[in-house]
Amino acid sequence: KAGVTQTPRYLIKTRGQQVTLSCSPISGHRSVSWYQQTPGQGLQFLFEYFSETQRNKGNFPGRFSGRQFSNSRSEMNVSTLELGDSALYLCASSLEVIPGGGETQYFGPGTRLLVL
Amino acid sequence: AQSVTQLDSQVPVFEEAPVELRCNYSSSVSVYLFWYVQYPNQGLQLLLKYLSGSTLVKGINGFEAEFNKSQTSFHLRKPSVHISDTAEYFCAVSEAGGTSYGKLTFGQGTILTVHP
Repeated sequence: KAGVTQTPRYLIKTRGQQVTLSCSPISGHRSVSWYQQTPGQGLQFLFEYFSETQRNKGNFPGRFSGRQFSNSRSEMNVSTLELGDSALYLCASSLEVIPGGGETQYFGPGTRLLVL
Repeated sequence: AQSVTQLDSQVPVFEEAPVELRCNYSSSVSVYLFWYVQYPNQGLQLLLKYLSGSTLVKGINGFEAEFNKSQTSFHLRKPSVHISDTAEYFCAVSEAGGTSYGKLTFGQGTILTVHP
């Protein structure tokens, strides 16, 4: 079974631009979560989507948004990029069959975004 | 809210020696516990997780961890490491049975370097 795929793998943008990152979950997985990884702040949860609905959101400004499509693929968008948005953005998918959490999240390789 | 503290940012060790990576957590509610590994330029891979039951959990690649509720710890151990175990290791928690959909709270990571 194919793993989680993320495109593009690398991206360079300039301040003020916007960017869209894509994530394709493992086939059959309906939950997709996004994380930002930086050397200073570590791994931080951005948001989670299930059946096209955002169920949870981390402490990020409104410039960070996402969506999920009916085939469970997800995109995240960052508008008005800032230098501090430079990071590795990781997407993870899970089955969501265990009531109350505890599901294993399977991570993609990430998209490395550099903002100049 | 939950927090995770990984007590060592870097752990150097010789090949075939035992290793312990320490993780403490703080939470006002019950949690599930996870250890993930990240190799350079890759996403995260689950090593093991604790949901309930036996406090000693065995994972992939010969790793194991012990959940200690009174100490609020979940230390990762391996009796004999290999060069290929060189990577960054992350301890994570999620809220059990609640509405923390998709949200993992990670520690800052421990870089394990195995020397020949």
